[in-house]
Amino acid sequence: ETGVTQSPTHLIKTRGQQVTLRCSSQSGHNTVSWYQQALGQGPQFIFQYYREEENGRGNFPPRFSGLQFPNYSSELNVNALELDDSALYLCASSPGRSGSHTGELFFGEGSRLTVL
Amino acid sequence: DAKTTQPPSMDCAEGRAANLPCNHSTISGNEYVYWYRQIHSQGPQYIIHGLKNNETNEMASLIITEDRKSSTLILPHATLRDTAVYYCIAPTGTASKLTFGTGTRLQVTL
Repeated sequence: ETGVTQSPTHLIKTRGQQVTLRCSSQSGHNTVSWYQQALGQGPQFIFQYYREEENGRGNFPPRFSGLQFPNYSSELNVNALELDDSALYLCASSPGRSGSHTGELFFGEGSRLTVL
Repeated sequence: DAKTTQPPSMDCAEGRAANLPCNHSTISGNEYVYWYRQIHSQGPQYIIHGLKNNETNEMASLIITEDRKSSTLILPHATLRDTAVYYCIAPTGTASKLTFGTGTRLQVTL
């Protein structure tokens, strides 16, 4: 148990639709990162939020967007869904300042998105 | 992030030590080595990290070569619950923006 909770755990959408995934970070953690994990692959970094500001982004198009709220919970939004967006979406939180060079990430169990 | 190379799969008998190697020959002086594992259908779990000295915690030991070009994660007494994909990562700049490869799939057997 990491204290990071994600919802929903599973969902199915069709191409062109929009989806919002939610994450509650561990208490006291002000940095949240989102990762996409396609089947058989390692997680890929999407973006990170620190104190409600985006602080780093991986190689993902603008239709992937996010928010972080004052309580440090976060949302991942994906517009115009494509079949290749089918994946496990993982949220991870960490304490302290963004850009910290050391320390562990605490991952949630993920939201599995299927796009038909 | 420094490129890391791991064998795609390994087997280990329960109760024996599991030694998982990782090559990171391009690692720079201030890049740490992190290990995470992912048990099927769960989120990744942090195991251990180190810079140049060997490290040990309740889960594992991390042995880093003196030239820092490779490291070995050691699970001293592997159990069936250690069956997972193990990722070795050497992030640049921050430990919260990680580049996962495909890792090593460790199968622990009776």
